[in-house]
Amino acid sequence: DVKVTQSSRYLVKRTGEKVFLECVQDMDHENMFWYRQDPGLGLRLIYFSYDVKMKEKGDIPEGYSVSREKKERFSLILESASTNQTSMYLCASSFGGLPGDTQYFGPGTRLTVL
Amino acid sequence: DAKTTQPNSMESNEEEPVHLPCNHSTISGTDYIHWYRQLPSQGPEYVIHGLTSNVNNRMASLAIAEDRKSSTLILHRATLRDAAVYYCILTQGAQKLVFGQGTRLTINP
Repeated sequence: DVKVTQSSRYLVKRTGEKVFLECVQDMDHENMFWYRQDPGLGLRLIYFSYDVKMKEKGDIPEGYSVSREKKERFSLILESASTNQTSMYLCASSFGGLPGDTQYFGPGTRLTVL
Repeated sequence: DAKTTQPNSMESNEEEPVHLPCNHSTISGTDYIHWYRQLPSQGPEYVIHGLTSNVNNRMASLAIAEDRKSSTLILHRATLRDAAVYYCILTQGAQKLVFGQGTRLTINP
């Protein structure tokens, strides 16, 4: 089974702090994704990556950056956390290159910014 | 992105079949129909996907209308563990998934 793990289930940070959310997948997937999920807004794509050192902006990249130095690891960075970034963050990965590609999600990190 | 329409909520009883509908009247010829579900406090989980033909797997069946403008996810014998939000999503490959509000399925014991 594909396994996508995220570094923390719950995280509490203060406004202005730099925050790192880590995601690791163990299936040699090419693609990795970061979403956030908020009540009433559903899941929204922040950034995705098709390959090591490659990144593409999603629908809501403002206030975020990403890093993919190794194929299995995709990090989401909040340069200066703000209260409106309090949310559930979900990482996903997929094999890539297939028309019916399926994404596999991690358990999520619930981030609270005070 | 092509849009899907699902009922906000549905309710069923344990051990009965459940049919979750999805309308996608603007689907294009290359769109795949994916279903994911999200159990409470968990990330979304892949359920099934298809293009034109009906599909079966160990979790569910997917029935696709001949004109592909609608589809139905079928849980053959619902259990309490199937209570979740079910999302019907159109995709064109290794691209972002656009999640709508989904259908919240409640299973009564």
